[in-house]
Amino acid sequence: RKEVEQDPGPFNVPEGATVAFNCTYSNSASQSFFWYRQDCRKEPKLLMSVYSSGNEDGRFTAQLNRASQYISLLIRDSKLSDSATYLCVVWGAAGNKLTFGGGTRVLVKP
Amino acid sequence: GAVVSQHPSWVICKSGTSVKIECRSLDFQATTMFWYRQFPKQSLMLMATSNEGSKATYEQGVEKDKFLINHASLTLSTLTVTSAHPEDSSFYICSAMNTEAFFGQGTRLTVV
Repeated sequence: RKEVEQDPGPFNVPEGATVAFNCTYSNSASQSFFWYRQDCRKEPKLLMSVYSSGNEDGRFTAQLNRASQYISLLIRDSKLSDSATYLCVVWGAAGNKLTFGGGTRVLVKP
Repeated sequence: GAVVSQHPSWVICKSGTSVKIECRSLDFQATTMFWYRQFPKQSLMLMATSNEGSKATYEQGVEKDKFLINHASLTLSTLTVTSAHPEDSSFYICSAMNTEAFFGQGTRLTVV
């Protein structure tokens, strides 16, 4: 089993719709959780950190469920510019380093 | 915010030659930097952890004699791909931790 797993998608989303997807991690000792966004042929950029209490940043909401060992990302009122690959990143999933999920591809269409 | 600069952004080299990639933290000191490789439609895979003033720590399956890492200062780490072959063609990205993980712009290496 992979340490961090994501549905690769693609999630085809009509503009203005809501999309949500999860990421599961295998090591219960994992310490910190992040969502990164990666555009094609570019470096990943931090979208948001994920906290147990859940956190929201504009149209983006992230949640952490430690009991079930997953994190989620919800995007409301999707924009065309939200089209990207969203990477689930976990610190501590396999030692003192970041472990990346395979990414979830989101395509927002008019 | 903190910035990590990586150079070159792309390089084409002949099979058998060596390529050096630089990674600099521009406004913070990084005792540790990370080197990743990303093949098309795949996620980032950690190759090695670069430690300032000491030897790098390589992930399982990564040849340390082929991917030479030098971290001579708190702001610079270099990755040298020695005797590159076409299968080494990939997107190489460095990262340094500050308040979060910051990534260089990546280097697209094509070996012909």
